Amino acid sequence: GAGVSQSPSNKVTEKGKDVELRCDPISGHTALYWYRQSLGQGLEFLIYFQGNSAPDKSGLPSDRFSAERTGGSVSTLTIQRTQQEDSAVYLCASSPPRYQETQYFGPGTRLLVL
Amino acid sequence: AQSVTQLDSQVPVFEEAPVELRCNYSSSVSVYLFWYVQYPNQGLQLLLKYLSGSTLVKGINGFEAEFNKSQTSFHLRKPSVHISDTAEYFCAVRVINAGNNRKLIWGLGTSLAVNP
Repeated sequence: GAGVSQSPSNKVTEKGKDVELRCDPISGHTALYWYRQSLGQGLEFLIYFQGNSAPDKSGLPSDRFSAERTGGSVSTLTIQRTQQEDSAVYLCASSPPRYQETQYFGPGTRLLVL
Repeated sequence: AQSVTQLDSQVPVFEEAPVELRCNYSSSVSVYLFWYVQYPNQGLQLLLKYLSGSTLVKGINGFEAEFNKSQTSFHLRKPSVHISDTAEYFCAVRVINAGNNRKLIWGLGTSLAVNP
């Protein structure tokens, strides 16, 4: 079946602009995660959605970052007033309701802020 | 707080040689343990996981890992590597019974380069 998809695959933007990154999880997966992968810094947890529960936003680095998940499916990560240090690969993952310990990752969105 | 340390940032090895990628974690509570692999220009893929039971876990592509609770380690091994195993390998942990918190804590990754 279809895996986790993310769009766009690459995004180049100018400092100060807003960007939106999209994630389509695997159908039926109730949990959705956003991570950031920076060069030499590994993966950094950003935010976690689980069904109708309040999201765990503890990893968002600043109030310029926000995310929403509509209808328990598609999620959008928004970065306002982008900075050069926001340049990274943004990864989305989802988990099924029964085996939530396993996360399935999308290919990522590579963001470059000039 | 939990943390994951991958002791080698880069591991060069010749084809058909054995390899071990080391991972240590720190946690005062029980954890689940994972190894993910990221092939060049591809997304992260689950290699294997330890949840409970036998401490020796077998994964895809001939990899295995052993959970050692006393040493808080989860080293990844393969007896004979192939060129196609060249990739970035990530160790991750998740705290058990953390309520709604299911986030993974990641190591910085180990770059495995298999040479002919």
